[in-house]
Amino acid sequence: ETGVTQSPTHLIKTRGQQVTLRCSSQSGHNTVSWYQQALGQGPQFIFQYYREEENGRGNFPPRFSGLQFPNYSSELNVNALELDDSALYLCASSLRDRRGYTFGSGTRLTVV
Amino acid sequence: QQQVKQSPQSLIVQKGGISIINCAYENTAFDYFPWYQQFPGKGPALLIAIRPDVSEKKEGRFTISFNKSAKQFSLHIMDSQPGDSATYFCAASGDRGSTLGRLYFGRGTQLTVWP
Repeated sequence: ETGVTQSPTHLIKTRGQQVTLRCSSQSGHNTVSWYQQALGQGPQFIFQYYREEENGRGNFPPRFSGLQFPNYSSELNVNALELDDSALYLCASSLRDRRGYTFGSGTRLTVV
Repeated sequence: QQQVKQSPQSLIVQKGGISIINCAYENTAFDYFPWYQQFPGKGPALLIAIRPDVSEKKEGRFTISFNKSAKQFSLHIMDSQPGDSATYFCAASGDRGSTLGRLYFGRGTQLTVWP
């Protein structure tokens, strides 16, 4: 059974640029959630995808968007990067209506 | 607004001692309370979780105590070991409205266990 894998592990971008982060769900999981973890803070919910549709969103602006593919993998896109977007971005997969969320190791994004 | 409040922010315990981390919540829609352990450079890993129909759950050296009336829950790590040194997060989720399908995390507790 494979876990949640995320790529890339680290990324440096310039303010105003766009970034795409990728996530492969744990085998058998059909729901993907994305979280932002600022340094020294707990993860904050960005949004969740189920059946390729956004299914719940946290307090993040529209420049944060996502996709889920038929194989349940997912992408997080962030446009017009700001310095405050620097954080660890975590992907978590689960089964619909189950609470056993499995997290990936994250992508460390630095915006300069 | 922080929906789950966690304390202390940092904790230093001697090897063999008991580590205790506390969390509190307000939203009565929460019905699932997990604890996560996170090592540097890694994502959070589920340690143990509890639902509000029980007051305590134990798995090995880890115990969750839950007080529904006070809206508080805590993690006890017995016989703490240096390998337990990590950041611990409490979290909560619910089954309806804005709590559905998402975890609300506390700010975390940095635990250091001295050998």
